[in-house]
Amino acid sequence: GAVVSQHPSWVICKSGTSVKIECRSLDFQATTMFWYRQFPKQSLMLMATSNEGSKATYEQGVEKDKFLINHASLTLSTLTVTSAHPEDSSFYICSMWRQGNQPQHFGDGTRLSIL
Amino acid sequence: QKEVEQNSGPLSVPEGAIASLNCTYSDRVSQSFFWYRQYSGKSPELIMSIYSNGDKEDGRFTAQLNKASQYVSLLIRDSQPSDSATYLCAPWGGGNKLTFGTGTQLKVEL
Repeated sequence: GAVVSQHPSWVICKSGTSVKIECRSLDFQATTMFWYRQFPKQSLMLMATSNEGSKATYEQGVEKDKFLINHASLTLSTLTVTSAHPEDSSFYICSMWRQGNQPQHFGDGTRLSIL
Repeated sequence: QKEVEQNSGPLSVPEGAIASLNCTYSDRVSQSFFWYRQYSGKSPELIMSIYSNGDKEDGRFTAQLNKASQYVSLLIRDSQPSDSATYLCAPWGGGNKLTFGTGTQLKVEL
């Protein structure tokens, strides 16, 4: 199956720090990339959708200036959490989608803890 | 009405039994249906895809689709403790994103 690599797996940092999370597809080119956030015991929450070369589309309630998404190529997307605060602590997951009726493929997720 | 509805559970079944997970969806144009398994603290992994009405079997897993009733299910035969996880239903109706249900938590008890 498709392989999506997400780094880092864990991040612990101080409040006010900016954190970059990288998501890379290893064996296919992704039309679209997605970023999700999941709080403990809650369901996946879609944050934003991005297509290569286009600005990301953010879901309602997600601050685009705080969560910067760069879709650099068909195999790479990054999410930067700027000036992170404790309430941003969560599990962030990327996924990549080829096209058509294909499923999304998820990265392993990044657990972000802001002290 | 939610776009994708799943019973949140937990659904408890004894080891060796059949676990039945259900999902209803509201978008009549949904064409493809995916089941993902998510272990606690991990990201979702794809376990089944189904595109046509009827049953699709893969090992101990069987997906059942009824587009007229807007219903898709996942059966897990000979349930094992390692099957304990949250199962997410995701219909695709065109466009570029999936709509996920909130998931059903399955517990397989020894």
